[in-house]
Formats: sequence, structure tokens, C-alpha cells
Amino acid sequence: EAQVTQNPRYLITVTGKKLTVTCSQNMNHEYMSWYRQDPGLGLRQIYYSMNVEVTDKGDVPEGYKVSRKEKRNFPLILESPSPNQTSLYFCASRDYRQETQYFGPGTRLLVL
Amino acid sequence: KNQVEQSPQSLIILEGKNCTLQCNYTVSPFSNLRWYKQDTGRGPVSLTIMTFSENTKSNGRYTATLDADTKQSSLHITASQLSDSASYICVVSQSLFNNNDMRFGAGTRLTVKP
Repeated sequence: EAQVTQNPRYLITVTGKKLTVTCSQNMNHEYMSWYRQDPGLGLRQIYYSMNVEVTDKGDVPEGYKVSRKEKRNFPLILESPSPNQTSLYFCASRDYRQETQYFGPGTRLLVL
Repeated sequence: KNQVEQSPQSLIILEGKNCTLQCNYTVSPFSNLRWYKQDTGRGPVSLTIMTFSENTKSNGRYTATLDADTKQSSLHITASQLSDSASYICVVSQSLFNNNDMRFGAGTRLTVKP
């Protein structure tokens, strides 16, 4: 089944404790993105990648890192999480020739 | 100010009724507009995509319209079902294949009651 998977789905952590949220897609898509979704705001792009080893900042990249060592994986790294990073995070992927973007199920993060 | 404004923020209707959700945008240049459905606890799923030259597109009971001159779009849901309860998100892109110029509305939360 074609899908985007994220792990973990739920995470509670404390300020400053490094964490990684994994994202994997099995559709051989070139484009992958990370978004955060907060109440009353639209999805905002954190980082995106157009292919392996090619990443760039989105609208809200501060406090986040990403890597794209393999085509299928695009982990999101929070080196020193802070409470304002409490949010719902979505990974998405897309074939560069297609218009439809596929979203993962989301990761709900709480930083205390 | 968000470049994509959706209204209403939330809506409650009875099962079987029709409803229309609105999306106004100021994004320019414009390439395409998408409507997504997001069930609670899930990622958004694409419903329709319209380019500049299209002014209506249907997907089952969902019909999206686009007026590129007034920069308005609507999503009409016919004969609503309980499973239509979700958030509906309007997304406007400035280019067709770029991945970093999409602007998301905050969504309309629709609740369909029996």
C-alpha cells in the first residue's frame, strides 16, 4: 500500500532533550516536506527536500534540522526542543511530475 | 495576515443537507488551488486540484469552484454524510511543481450531525 509513515505518533518530552521524528515513504517520490499545524493557523512548511542530499528551509525552520540521505526517508530533528515547538507535525511526499501531495498520519509533540 | 482565508471557521449541519465552504486568497502569482479533507487525527487527503483555467471540478459529492478574477473558491458538499465531518483545507500554490510556495488556509471544521 502506498503510504507515508511517521514515528512516533505521539511524543511527550522535556525542554532541551534532543529528539527525532522519522518519516518514510514507499512511493519513490522525489519531493518530501515537513509541516507543523497549530490551532487557528494553516499548515506551515518547516523544511523541504527536492531529492537526496537536497534540502531547503521552509517558512518556519528555526529550531529544526532535517536530512535526506536516502530517497525514502526524511527525518525531522529537534536538537534542543522548546515548549513553542509543541505542535502537530506532518510529513508529506510528492512525485515531482504530479500535483498531489501525500501526507503522513501526523506526530503530536508536547514539549514540557 | 494569512494569504489564504477560509470561512466559516466551523460549521454544523444535519445529515443529508448541503453546505458550501469559502476560500479567499491574495496569493500572487497563482498556479493552482487545492482542497484537502483532514479527518481528526489524520493527515490531509486531496479532494480536488484546479488550475487557473478551470472553474469547477467535482469529486463525488464534492464540487469545487474557482473564480481566479475575484480570487475566490468554494467547496460545495451535497447530501452530507456523517463521514464528511472533518476539517477542509484550502491550499493555493504559486507554481505548479514547486514544493515550497504553497499557502494553507486555517481550515473549516465541519460537523455533520444525525
